[in-house]
Amino acid sequence: DAGVTQSPTHLIKTRGQQVTLRCSPKSGHDTVSWYQQALGQGPQFIFQYYEEEERQRGNFPDRFSGHQFPNYSSELNVNALLLGDSALYLCASSLTGGGVTEQYFGPGTRLTVT
Amino acid sequence: AQRVTQPEKLLSVFKGAPVELKCNYSYSGSPELFWYVQYSRQRLQLLLRHISRESIKGFTADLNKGETSFHLKKPFAQEEDSAMYYCALDSGGSNYKLTFGKGTLLTVNP
Repeated sequence: DAGVTQSPTHLIKTRGQQVTLRCSPKSGHDTVSWYQQALGQGPQFIFQYYEEEERQRGNFPDRFSGHQFPNYSSELNVNALLLGDSALYLCASSLTGGGVTEQYFGPGTRLTVT
Repeated sequence: AQRVTQPEKLLSVFKGAPVELKCNYSYSGSPELFWYVQYSRQRLQLLLRHISRESIKGFTADLNKGETSFHLKKPFAQEEDSAMYYCALDSGGSNYKLTFGKGTLLTVNP
């Protein structure tokens, strides 16, 4: 099991463009969370998907949207990119219904907006 | 709103010395607290959670609700403990939404 995988590894976009990041959860996991980690900061919760629906959302604008597919993989979409969106985007997977479960993190996608 | 504060950005100790990484939180309910660690060139991973009351790699952390703290401690630091440490809080009660501190970079010198 490769654990949580994310693609692409790095991405460079221009201000105003749109971007899609992808995440495959750890085998057996059904829940995917997305975090944004700016330089020098801790990860900040964007939203979480379970049963193909957004279950929880952090303090992020509607420019940030997501999707979860029947195979539990997920996408994060960001529209109208701003320079401030430059960050490491982390995906984490877990299993809902197992009590307090551990979130397994992926290696992240480094997004640079120029 | 919940908040996690890690007052030290950097912490440097010598091998064999005790180490304590501080974490304070702000939350009105009953939080679940975690410590995550990121070693060089590796992904973020769970070190320990307060509900388990376990010791991982010699590290322990006690939840002090009176002082709203969850400090991470190890009596004798090892060079392989050098890493970035993040304290995190789950307000949802079931790992739904983690709030992280800014992290403390621990360096253990030989």
